[in-house]
Amino acid sequence: TQLLEQSPQFLSIQEGENLTVYCNSSSVFSSLQWYRQEPGEGPVLLVTVVTGGEVKKLKRLTFQFGDARKDSSLHITAAQPGDTGLYLCAGVAVGNKLVFGAGTILRVKS
Amino acid sequence: NAGVMQNPRHLVRRRGQEARLRCSPMKGHSHVYWYRQLPEEGLKFMVYLQKENIIDESGMPKERFSAEFPKEGPSILRIQQVVRGDSAAYFCASSQGTGILGEQYFGPGTRLTVT
Repeated sequence: TQLLEQSPQFLSIQEGENLTVYCNSSSVFSSLQWYRQEPGEGPVLLVTVVTGGEVKKLKRLTFQFGDARKDSSLHITAAQPGDTGLYLCAGVAVGNKLVFGAGTILRVKS
Repeated sequence: NAGVMQNPRHLVRRRGQEARLRCSPMKGHSHVYWYRQLPEEGLKFMVYLQKENIIDESGMPKERFSAEFPKEGPSILRIQQVVRGDSAAYFCASSQGTGILGEQYFGPGTRLTVT
């Protein structure tokens, strides 16, 4: 069974600070997706990383896929209160099903 | 509305009743996935369907749960004789295909409460 460990579980920071969320596995994934979920809503796809070592940027968010395609990170620069939410990583496993990490609850205080 | 649609958004059922959850995929998407999010737990895969076919149901309980994606109409997740432990948020996702076309887009979910 493929598992994804996501850390930290909770993160409470001040506006303007930087943060990194980690997603680690002992298994290789064909690709990995990052989602953000608001309370009462479904996950919204932020990015898909496919190639080992790949780095993708989305405004203040930087996503990295490990060389061995077993881990990934999300770095947010100068966090804003609007970044508050639940961040989820999901590995694409055999058969195209997603294996989700437990999520990171981010709270950015103004 | 080009997104994944789910209805109802909220569903309350008494123990022993049946729950039917519907999902209409994004336009142009023929692959549908169902996931369950239990309180205090992460999202877990349940079943993967293409039109008229179940591709992978390895995450779905073998009893009381069934899913279909008919040629016409939405995908249906059916839970018979619901129990309190079925209370959860059920999410549907769709994709255009697999591999490079396999990005999954989620609907808003159906929150099932069993009383």
